[in-house]
Amino acid sequence: QITLKESGPTLVKPTQTLTLTCTFSGFSLSTSGVGVGWIRQPPGKALEWLALIYWDDDQRYRPSLKSRLTITKDTSKNQVVLTMTNMDPVDTATYYCAHTVYLVTTYGYRRPYFDYWGQGSLVTVSS
Amino acid sequence: DIQMTQSPSSLSASVGDRVTITCRASQSISSYLNWYQQKAGKAPKLLIFAASSLQSGVPSRFRGSGSGTDFTLTISRLQPEDFATYYCQQSYSSSPYTFGQGTKLEIK
Repeated sequence: QITLKESGPTLVKPTQTLTLTCTFSGFSLSTSGVGVGWIRQPPGKALEWLALIYWDDDQRYRPSLKSRLTITKDTSKNQVVLTMTNMDPVDTATYYCAHTVYLVTTYGYRRPYFDYWGQGSLVTVSS
Repeated sequence: DIQMTQSPSSLSASVGDRVTITCRASQSISSYLNWYQQKAGKAPKLLIFAASSLQSGVPSRFRGSGSGTDFTLTISRLQPEDFATYYCQQSYSSSPYTFGQGTKLEIK
């Protein structure tokens, strides 16, 4: 049974750095073919993909946020950490982590989808 | 960015109805299109991946189709638990992976 849970602060001040931890069970990030992604959702708005890390440490970032994001994994702890610098009120959202699997094209490109999600963690950015 | 546009943005239907939600990509994404269901206050749930593959455990009344730029999610015989918001997501390009704006399915 795959489960994921996000943890981190519920309130951060503008300009601060947000650190969110995704703790998971039921799979290992050292197993070929898996990854963990982060997706956020501002209140009342649509989903927005942020970052993704694969079993082989391949990392993908949302280009518009790439300079502010870092995703890392700790395979021994079954955790993935997302840091986002220089937080702003527009970053207020529920942040989800998700177990990720992918299809592979004939040219070797990965095409991921998010098949198990955490419950989400609401982060408010306010002074 | 590849833009994903869903229509309609909201939809009212009755239990037992058949409904169709459309998702259009701003460029061809082959069949790399996924559908999610999100109920109020809950995390999204994967329904369909690769345009038409039903995720394990998802009822067969959910059906996905399409390729290229035009995709549909059809729910036959709506059940009370199907009233939710539905999102499409393209995984063709990571620059970035994008979701549609959502379609809210409400009870008539």
